[in-house]
Amino acid sequence: AQSVSQHNHHVILSEAASLELGCNYSYGGTVNLFWYVQYPGQHLQLLLKYFSGDPLVKGIKGFEAEFIKSKFSFNLRKPSVQWSDTAEYFCAVNYNNAGNMLTFGGGTRLMVKP
Amino acid sequence: IAGITQAPTSQILAAGRRMTLRCTQDMRHNAMYWYRQDLGLGLRLIHYSNTAGTTGKGEVPDGYSVSRANTDDFPLTLASAVPSQTSVYFCASSQGGEKNYGYTFGSGTRLTVV
Repeated sequence: AQSVSQHNHHVILSEAASLELGCNYSYGGTVNLFWYVQYPGQHLQLLLKYFSGDPLVKGIKGFEAEFIKSKFSFNLRKPSVQWSDTAEYFCAVNYNNAGNMLTFGGGTRLMVKP
Repeated sequence: IAGITQAPTSQILAAGRRMTLRCTQDMRHNAMYWYRQDLGLGLRLIHYSNTAGTTGKGEVPDGYSVSRANTDDFPLTLASAVPSQTSVYFCASSQGGEKNYGYTFGSGTRLTVV
């Protein structure tokens, strides 16, 4: 079955620390990859996406993610987090046999201490 | 502002009652989805519709039904609510077509079944 794994369920960082959230997916075919962010009390918003080309994708608010096909991974990174980055982050994958449907990971809750 | 409108924002419902969660989009997106979000479980797909007039079952469809009479509306009905359906429900839509631009999400409905 197609699945998406986010290994870190909860992450606590201090401001200015570097962030890396892991995302791995099953299946070896063509995929489109997404990271969504959900700020407290809000709906999910798109952070960045990868379709093809340069495997290093830059998104909003200083976030980036790197697609490593050989590892089936799409980890999210930010060099220096801010308190306002406190949120839940979801990795999502569109498998090429699933139309436009996304499969989501379980989410990672990030708390940034001021 | 183009987007997705969900109603109600929150609801407390007695077990055994029938409830319809409303979802309307004004982006003329072909595909629409209903997810439930539960702590530690991420987002799980309940039902989806790739185009008006068609629907399909997702990962957790039991106890829920949907209809897609037109492009804009995608209501989710709980025929006889049970406490395990306490959750936050998100409606989403996507444009469809060859390139997947990801989902646009509604603001969610927080449902408590007592």
